[in-house]
Amino acid sequence: DTEVTQTPKHLVMGMTNKKSLKCEQHMGHRAMYWYKQKAKKPPELMFVYSYEKLSINESVPSRFSPECPNSSLLNLHLHALQPEDSALYLCASSQEGSDYNEQFFGPGTRLTVL
Amino acid sequence: GQSLEQPSEVTAVEGAIVQINCTYQTSGFYGLSWYQQHDGGAPTFLSYNALDGLEETGRFSSFLSRSDSYGYLLLQELQMKDSASYFCAPSYGNNRLAFGKGNQVVVIP
Repeated sequence: DTEVTQTPKHLVMGMTNKKSLKCEQHMGHRAMYWYKQKAKKPPELMFVYSYEKLSINESVPSRFSPECPNSSLLNLHLHALQPEDSALYLCASSQEGSDYNEQFFGPGTRLTVL
Repeated sequence: GQSLEQPSEVTAVEGAIVQINCTYQTSGFYGLSWYQQHDGGAPTFLSYNALDGLEETGRFSSFLSRSDSYGYLLLQELQMKDSASYFCAPSYGNNRLAFGKGNQVVVIP
């Protein structure tokens, strides 16, 4: 299985809602990532988990809260978002332990904040 | 963040050759990777260069010059399915990739 899955595919939420994005991989990868991508822009790194521990937080606002319950799952909890947070949220995974590892991306969750 | 310069859009006919250039900041640099992303799709890995020189994978080749902080992706024998955005992404260790601004390639018949 060389696939990263993400749910939901689309999400519309109000600014007072709480929602969660989910990501799963069964490739045995020990690094997992959240990226945010706006239209016509490159993916921007948000968080990196390495061996289920948060290793990088790219100064992301606290209204985004990541969680890695186990080595296969990655969640992104959303609360009190702003309309400018509307974007495609991509999850990725990779091997760990060398200078470079190819990242495998999921199809993304397209988020609209009203 | 890193500043990565890539031109924005290229239009080419089927069968043509397109070169997409990338410059990057050298501090902490490990290597340069390239990703392809079709409209509405996920980025997919194309190639990685850790050492200077040319890496060839089928119709696509990637080049790196560490001394010039420069690399390029060469797309040969263009096909309609190659219409996509192409991103260079230097790696700086700790699994951190810094995607460039991207280059949209439009292939026309």
